Amino acid sequence: EAAVTQSPRSKVAVTGGKVTLSCHQTNNHDYMYWYRQDTGHGLRLIHYSYVADSTEKGDIPDGYKASRPSQENFSLILELASLSQTAVYFCASSERTGSSYEQYFGPGTRLTVL
Amino acid sequence: GEQVEQLPSSLIVQEGASVLINCSYTDSASVYFPWYKQEPGKRLQFIIDIRSNMERKQNQRLTLLFDKKTKHLSLHITATQPGDSAIYFCSASNRNSGTYQRFGTGTKLQVVP
Repeated sequence: EAAVTQSPRSKVAVTGGKVTLSCHQTNNHDYMYWYRQDTGHGLRLIHYSYVADSTEKGDIPDGYKASRPSQENFSLILELASLSQTAVYFCASSERTGSSYEQYFGPGTRLTVL
Repeated sequence: GEQVEQLPSSLIVQEGASVLINCSYTDSASVYFPWYKQEPGKRLQFIIDIRSNMERKQNQRLTLLFDKKTKHLSLHITATQPGDSAIYFCSASNRNSGTYQRFGTGTKLQVVP
C-alpha cells in the first residue's frame, strides 16, 4: 500500500515566521501534491509536481512556495506565515500512468499561526 | 475554474439503511471523477472512481452513477455500517492523467446503530 508521511504532524507558528512542511513518499510515484483543508471548503490545491526539481502552481499558490528535491520528497514553504494560513495541510501522491489515478494521502499537518 | 458541489452537506442514517450523496460539477471538460472517504482523525482514502465514458461503476456496497449531460454524479451506499461514518469527497479532473483534482466540500455521513 502507498505510504505517504508528513512532518511535523502539528505546528504552531508566529505571524511573519517561516514554516516548512515536509512530505515523503515511498511508492515511486511521479506526482505529488499539497492541499489545504478548511472547514466548508473541502481540499484546495496549492502546488503540485510531476517530476523532481519542478513544481507547478495549483489553485491557491499565493503565499506558498514548493520544493521537490527528489522523487520521494516534496516540501511546502510559508516564507511569511499569516493568520489566514491556519489550516490542515495534506500531501498526496499518484502515479503518472495506470488505470486508476487515485491519490494517496498523508495523515495531514495541522498548522496554527498565531 | 471548475466548481464541485456536494449535497447534502451532512446526514444521519440508521445502520442498514441506504444513502445517496449527490455531486455536481461545472467544467464540461472534466473526464475523471474519484471519490474519497475521510474517517474521523484519519487520512483521505480513495474509495471509487469513474471516467466520463462510463455511466455506472460498482464496488461492493458502493455504486457510482454518472450523467455527463447534466454534469452530475451520485454515490449510492447500501447496507450502511457504523464504519461508513466519515466525510465523503467528490472530485473532478479535466486531465486524462487524473491530476489537478478539484474537490467538493464534502458530505458528512453518520451511521447510528
